[in-house]
Amino acid sequence: DQQVKQNSPSLSVQEGRISILNCDYTNSMFDYFLWYKKYPAEGPTFLISISSIKDKNEDGRFTVFLNKSAKHLSLHIVPSQPGDSAVYFCAARASGNTGKLIFGQGTTLQVKP
Amino acid sequence: EAGVAQSPRYKIIEKRQSVAFWCNPISGHATLYWYQQILGQGPKLLIQFQNNGVVDDSQLPKDRFSAERLKGVDSTLKIQPAKLEDSAVYLCASSHVGNQPQHFGDGTRLSIL
Repeated sequence: DQQVKQNSPSLSVQEGRISILNCDYTNSMFDYFLWYKKYPAEGPTFLISISSIKDKNEDGRFTVFLNKSAKHLSLHIVPSQPGDSAVYFCAARASGNTGKLIFGQGTTLQVKP
Repeated sequence: EAGVAQSPRYKIIEKRQSVAFWCNPISGHATLYWYQQILGQGPKLLIQFQNNGVVDDSQLPKDRFSAERLKGVDSTLKIQPAKLEDSAVYLCASSHVGNQPQHFGDGTRLSIL
């Protein structure tokens, strides 16, 4: 049972354009969502998060949007840079939970110069 | 601050052999996690420690996997005996408390022959 899904295995965008990565979830008990970025042979690095009481959180070039009614979140990167090329994981945590994260399968982003 | 340290980086063993991984979390982080990441999938939580107590080990295959966190700092994860399906990257993560973003090490890539 895949509670967090990233349906696009890969995405390719041109440098300077917007990258939009999507994530869907099924468990209405999730109250906190995170995006992690992973380079080859390295561990995931925390990027940005959003609480379920918000619908948007912004940090520099990165913005996460949450649509609770659709159980959908997205990560926008503007403008995209070649250094953003990596695998991006969406993760979710259930309310009252001790911190356990459920991860999606990941989306590989390639930003072309 | 120093990140999460893991060793070894790579390990190749034959099926039915045993293997152990080591993790040193970020100083002061009370919560420690072990994840298994199979190729093409997101990380899956195996076990979570709060100091030296187990918080969640519901997805740990206890017939072959074991983990300990003595003195609430370093942790080891052991597999005995290994199966072919255990081939994966084993990631260690830590956080101050359970509801804070987790910081990951670079992982141990395990190959079972």
